[in-house]
Amino acid sequence: QQQVKQSPQSLIVQKGGISIINCAYENTAFDYFPWYQQFPGKGPALLIAIRPDVSEKKEGRFTISFNKSAKQFSLHIMDSQPGDSATYFCAASIEAGGFKTIFGAGTRLFVKA
Amino acid sequence: NAGVTQTPKFQVLKTGQSMTLQCAQDMNHNSMYWYRQDPGMGLRLIYYSASEGTTDKGEVPNGYNVSRLNKREFSLRLESAAPSQTSVYFCASADRGVEKLFFGSGTQLSVL
Repeated sequence: QQQVKQSPQSLIVQKGGISIINCAYENTAFDYFPWYQQFPGKGPALLIAIRPDVSEKKEGRFTISFNKSAKQFSLHIMDSQPGDSATYFCAASIEAGGFKTIFGAGTRLFVKA
Repeated sequence: NAGVTQTPKFQVLKTGQSMTLQCAQDMNHNSMYWYRQDPGMGLRLIYYSASEGTTDKGEVPNGYNVSRLNKREFSLRLESAAPSQTSVYFCASADRGVEKLFFGSGTQLSVL
């Protein structure tokens, strides 16, 4: 079963628009929620991460919104740029003493110029 | 600053052949990981090594073996390749557990 469900599978946004990717998880023991960005032919790279003690984290144009009661979190990319076109993965893990990160299926984002 | 280096970048195997994927990191990280990436499936953990001398199974370990040769190197072996193992394989490392995984650029493996 998929422990982290990610939607949509693909997303097309106009330059300057807002890109929103959603994820939901089942295991309430998860306490670390990173987002990874992957460009074609490259490995994923950590973009931004959040812990459940806060409801929002912002780094530049990237914001994670976290809803602990709903077991959902989302990535918002403000002022989306063509250079943001990539695949985005949400993930969840148990941080303390943990070594298993569960990834969502990924969202392919295309930002039209 | 190389980070995580994987070899080879591409490989084609016939069913039943064996091969070893190599991974090395130069960041003095304690934990290392092997993932496979398949369309619509995200990244799935095959094996991990929490520290030098230890290895553990991940989500999809069947058909694979690993060796943590030293702190720098973590190899993945396919003893008898099957078409279902056609995938892109990523090695990753982290200083502490699950925080900030650093990924290599991947090995694209096709099993015919």
